[in-house]
Amino acid sequence: GQNIDQPTEMTATEGAIVQINCTYQTSGFNGLFWYQQHAGEAPTFLSYNVLDGLEEKGRFSSFLSRSKGYSYLLLKELQMKDSASYLCAPRGNSGYALNFGKGTSLLVTP
Amino acid sequence: DAGVIQSPRHEVTEMGQEVTLRCKPISGHNSLFWYRQTMMRGLELLIYFNNNVPIDDSGMPEDRFSAKMPNASFSTLKIQPSEPRDSAVYFCASSYQGATGQPQHFGDGTRLSIL
Repeated sequence: GQNIDQPTEMTATEGAIVQINCTYQTSGFNGLFWYQQHAGEAPTFLSYNVLDGLEEKGRFSSFLSRSKGYSYLLLKELQMKDSASYLCAPRGNSGYALNFGKGTSLLVTP
Repeated sequence: DAGVIQSPRHEVTEMGQEVTLRCKPISGHNSLFWYRQTMMRGLELLIYFNNNVPIDDSGMPEDRFSAKMPNASFSTLKIQPSEPRDSAVYFCASSYQGATGQPQHFGDGTRLSIL
């Protein structure tokens, strides 16, 4: 089975940097995805890591340490529109399915 | 390009009724996933298909739930009989599995309320 742990809520200020952590336990490992979900909308893909290290994509970066079962999503230059839920989704070796954590609800304040 | 298309967007029905949710995946995608999202349990995988074949249905709550994928461009999730605890947002997602790291693309979801 899979166990995924993320903080439930975080608050940050517009223009700041925030790091959302995710720890996981999976049966095997075949990559980790981060998704963003605005209230009332569908999840949308943000990033994918399969090797250790940092993947940078504009204002968003994602880090992975496979040996520690740990990932984080780093959001820079926060904007009000970044207020959303962020879902960590590691993939084990049981096919192509993802199991999602309950997500971290991020509130960006002025 | 058209994304994943789900219908209906909203459904309100009385308990005991049959509910059918529909999904059209993105053309060319060979995997399709059904999820259920609630505040209490988050986003849960119900079942997924690869090349129209059900691969893992261990997340289907009970026999009242069934899913089919008769062809590469259509899938249904059926609840019969429905119960109030089935109230949730149901998402369909599709992806192309054949290359590493291909993400799942989600439809807008069906908001289901069972009275």
